[in-house]
Amino acid sequence: NAGVTQTPKFQVLKTGQSMTLQCAQDMNHEYMSWYRQDPGMGLRLIHYSVGAGITDQGEVPNGYNVSRSTTEDFPLRLLSAAPSQTSVYFCASSYKGGRNEQFFGPGTRLTVL
Amino acid sequence: GENVEQHPSTLSVQEGDSAVIKCTYSDSASNYFPWYKQELGKRPQLIIDIRSNVGEKKDQRIAVTLNKTAKHFSLHITETQPEDSAVYFCAASKGGGATNKLIFGTGTLLAVQP
Repeated sequence: NAGVTQTPKFQVLKTGQSMTLQCAQDMNHEYMSWYRQDPGMGLRLIHYSVGAGITDQGEVPNGYNVSRSTTEDFPLRLLSAAPSQTSVYFCASSYKGGRNEQFFGPGTRLTVL
Repeated sequence: GENVEQHPSTLSVQEGDSAVIKCTYSDSASNYFPWYKQELGKRPQLIIDIRSNVGEKKDQRIAVTLNKTAKHFSLHITETQPEDSAVYFCAASKGGGATNKLIFGTGTLLAVQP
């Protein structure tokens, strides 16, 4: 099992550019989520999904879109990157329902100039 | 919505001492409280969790206590070792339903001095 994988590991964008962060898991988890991690702010939930075709907003959804066409994949799209989106992004997955361990991907470090 | 506060933000202890990190949560419906450890440059990993029907849980040198009335929970690490140095995050979730939505605290940087 590869677990949760993310690509790319590093990315530099210019303000206004768009890009997609990829996330995939091979554990047949129904629940997937995206977090951003900033110094002193902890992990903040951006978007989450409880299954294919179902997504919902987290704490900080503005500027990001997601879709879930398959159980395995949960890409995060930045439509028009801003310097405030400079952060480390983590994808996580788990079985649905509360009280289940979330497994994190290795992260993507994004810099927006 | 749920809000989780975590203290202290940094903690330095001597090797062999104990370390305690405290969190409070706002939503009384929360019933699942995991703790994650994140080493420098790595992904967060679950180290221990507790459910609201339990007051304390231990796993070797790590323990977590929960006070539902006061809405706070704590991580206790005994006999600390240099490899315990990391950032620790608490989180809270309302278990049940389809989601596994976790709200995290802001993290505690633990430094264990040899």
